[in-house]
Amino acid sequence: GQQLNQSPQSMFIQEGEDVSMNCTSSSIFNTWLWYKQDPGEGPVLLIALYKAGELTSNGRLTAQFGITRKDSFLNISASIPSDVGIYFCAGSGGSYIPTFGRGTSLIVHP
Amino acid sequence: NAGVTQTPKFRVLKTGQSMTLLCAQDMNHEYMYWYRQDPGMGLRLIHYSVGEGTTAKGEVPDGYNVSRLKKQNFLLGLESAAPSQTSVYFCASSPEGVGFTEQFFGPGTRLTVL
Repeated sequence: GQQLNQSPQSMFIQEGEDVSMNCTSSSIFNTWLWYKQDPGEGPVLLIALYKAGELTSNGRLTAQFGITRKDSFLNISASIPSDVGIYFCAGSGGSYIPTFGRGTSLIVHP
Repeated sequence: NAGVTQTPKFRVLKTGQSMTLLCAQDMNHEYMYWYRQDPGMGLRLIHYSVGEGTTAKGEVPDGYNVSRLKKQNFLLGLESAAPSQTSVYFCASSPEGVGFTEQFFGPGTRLTVL
């Protein structure tokens, strides 16, 4: 089946710093999604990407669909304490079955 | 709109007991999914449905059954619970589209099997 590697596994940063995380796939994806999960809650969609090379922003968050269609990146600028949580990437090669990364745990120190 | 709701929020079972988890969505979505989340493992797909009356196996279907008798509901059943099924279970739904599209998740059910 499809394999999806998400890195880093965890990040500890100071408030105000920028954050970058990425996901790589062993096969080509047609869709990349980025989710955030707060403690005790379900994941919430942040950004959806549907075209290779696409760069999309949502406030301080920016995500890109890699040109090779095998990777995606999420950047958070000027982090704040409420950015704390687990960030997941998810993708699919065109079927209804998504593959999720194992998540990046983000901790922001005030 | 309530979005995606899950019942119950918490449950403790003994090994061998059975139970059903209920997922309901009020967004008229065609697709529904059941995932389990374990520490460090991300989300793994158990079963999914692309429409009323249809179900299909995901990545980790063993020990689970599902039914989609009504478009808005997706039930996950554990026939004989095992400690390995201790996990947080999430239901999700997504609108009709070509393949995988944005999913909306419920708040989760935390299940412990003793």
